[in-house]
Amino acid sequence: NAGVTQTPKFRILKIGQSMTLQCTQDMNHNYMYWYRQDPGMGLKLIYYSVGAGITDKGEVPNGYNVSRSTTEDFPLRLELAAPSQTSVYFCASSYKRNYEQYFGPGTRLTVT
Amino acid sequence: DQQVKQNSPSLSVQEGRISILNCDYTNSMFDYFLWYKKYPAEGPTFLISISSIKDKNEDGRFTVFLNKSAKHLSLHIVPSQPGDSAVYFCAAQLNTGNQFYFGTGTSLTVIP
Repeated sequence: NAGVTQTPKFRILKIGQSMTLQCTQDMNHNYMYWYRQDPGMGLKLIYYSVGAGITDKGEVPNGYNVSRSTTEDFPLRLELAAPSQTSVYFCASSYKRNYEQYFGPGTRLTVT
Repeated sequence: DQQVKQNSPSLSVQEGRISILNCDYTNSMFDYFLWYKKYPAEGPTFLISISSIKDKNEDGRFTVFLNKSAKHLSLHIVPSQPGDSAVYFCAAQLNTGNQFYFGTGTSLTVIP
């Protein structure tokens, strides 16, 4: 049982490039989330999903897109990367509402 | 606008003593509260949670207290151990949605 896995662990992007951050969970959780954490700040929710085919915006969705075609996978797409997207990105999952979230190890992204 | 606040960026405690981490929130519609622990270069891990219908929840050395009238949450760790040294985040979920809102974290150092 691997829990929540994220790839890649590190990535450097040039301004204007695009990439997809991968997230997979093997706990059969319905709810999945993407957060970003900037230095000295808490986690800010980018997007979340309550089940396959259903996604919704969080606090900071601009510049990102998501899809949820399966229960297991919840990729985060960055289009036209900007320096403001330099951050650590965490994916999380939970069984349902009012349950704790399980987090992946994070992806450290630098946009230069 | 930060709806969940941790006003102490850091805390140092002697091993064996009590650690008290505090969290304040502004929205009375939060109905579920959690504490997470985070080590460097890792994702947050769940510690303990509390529903708004309770005022206390214990799990081993960890106790969470909820004071709804003051909109205040605290985590007590007794006795503190060096392995508890980490950043602690509080989080809250609205009763009207699925999003979690995180505080900015408190870095706890337990001195041997």
